[in-house]
Amino acid sequence: DAGVIQSPRHEVTEMGQEVTLRCKPISGHNSLFWYRQTMMRGLELLIYFNNNVPIDDSGMPEDRFSAKMPNASFSTLKIQPSEPRDSAVYFCASRRTGNQPQHFGDGTRLSIL
Amino acid sequence: AQSVTQPDIHITVSEGASLELRCNYSYGATPYLFWYVQSPGQGLQLLLKYFSGDTLVQGIKGFEAEFKRSQSSFNLRKPSVHWSDAAEYFCAVGASDYKLSFGAGTTVTVRA
Repeated sequence: DAGVIQSPRHEVTEMGQEVTLRCKPISGHNSLFWYRQTMMRGLELLIYFNNNVPIDDSGMPEDRFSAKMPNASFSTLKIQPSEPRDSAVYFCASRRTGNQPQHFGDGTRLSIL
Repeated sequence: AQSVTQPDIHITVSEGASLELRCNYSYGATPYLFWYVQSPGQGLQLLLKYFSGDTLVQGIKGFEAEFKRSQSSFNLRKPSVHWSDAAEYFCAVGASDYKLSFGAGTTVTVRA
């Protein structure tokens, strides 16, 4: 089985630009997670979808961040406008419900100049 | 709220030696416990998990972990490390159906 696929792997852009990160979960998984990893704060859950519906977005830092899951095989995390403090590695993870473990993608390393 | 503490930021171990990584959690009931490993530039890979039952859990790559309720610990062990075990290791606790809290991670360096 293919794992969680994230794109792009690296993104470098100037502050103020819109950034879109993409995620394809593992087929058959109905829960999807977006995380942010920084040296200062470690791994933080940003948002959790179940059956394409956002269940918990309490970790989304501010209104500049938005996430969508239009179907079971695709999700986006968008930052608009981006700021240098958004620089981090963003991970997507998916799993089946029923206390199954989360499977992580390889992440998108985002640098905002 | 649940929390996880990994007391050791960095551990250096010789190849072939044993390894133990510490993890302490804070949670009122029996949590769901996980160990993940992250190699540079990659995502987190699940090593093992504990939900219930036998408190000694076997995982992939020769790792095992023991849940000790009295000590609120879930330490990870490997009897003999290989150079490929050099990575960052994260302990995580899940109190709800989905919300995991991750520790800060322990970086393992393996010397020849």
